[in-house]
Amino acid sequence: EDKVVQSPLSLVVHEGDTVTLNCSYEVTNFRSLLWYKQEKKAPTFLFMLTSSGIEKKSGRLSSILDKKELFSILNITATQTGDSAIYLCAGGTSGAGSYQLTFGKGTKLSVIP
Amino acid sequence: DARVTQTPRHKVTEMGQEVTMRCQPILGHNTVFWYRQTMMQGLELLAYFRNRAPLDDSGMPKDRFSAEMPDATLATLKIQPSEPRDSAVYFCASGLFAYPQETQYFGPGTRLLVL
Repeated sequence: EDKVVQSPLSLVVHEGDTVTLNCSYEVTNFRSLLWYKQEKKAPTFLFMLTSSGIEKKSGRLSSILDKKELFSILNITATQTGDSAIYLCAGGTSGAGSYQLTFGKGTKLSVIP
Repeated sequence: DARVTQTPRHKVTEMGQEVTMRCQPILGHNTVFWYRQTMMQGLELLAYFRNRAPLDDSGMPKDRFSAEMPDATLATLKIQPSEPRDSAVYFCASGLFAYPQETQYFGPGTRLLVL
């Protein structure tokens, strides 16, 4: 059974801190690793990673994938209160013409002023 | 500003009733995904379509759930009969490729409560 595990489950930091969120995955026919940010409503897409060692960046957020260790991290530097959200990681698998996303339970990040 | 729309936004119903949720994908997107989110299970993929054809619905309980895409502007998810354990937020998402790329966008969700 495919599995995605995120850690920590929750995290409280002060504004300006740097945080690292972790995601480990065990999925068959792995194709991609995705990160989403979910505030009070729908998840919004952050990154899709398919190759090991290539960092993707968007402003203060960055992410990298290690396909050998089956692991990804999401870094947020100089955190702001607007970064408070649940961060979801998902493993994408593909086979026999179909596609499946398996989500982790998420990391709840709270940034306090 | 193109976005995925979902109706209704909230639904309260009694056990045994039929529930129909609708989704309008972003114009031009050729893939549509249905997800369910609960506190216990997190976010689960139920089904997805490419060019209106169902590609995978293995995540969906077949006995009571059905998903269709009668045309390119409408996707539906039906539950008949509904049960209290179906209470969740149901998200629709659309994208341009067979698997999520940067263009996958989620709708606002339908919050379903089955009493």
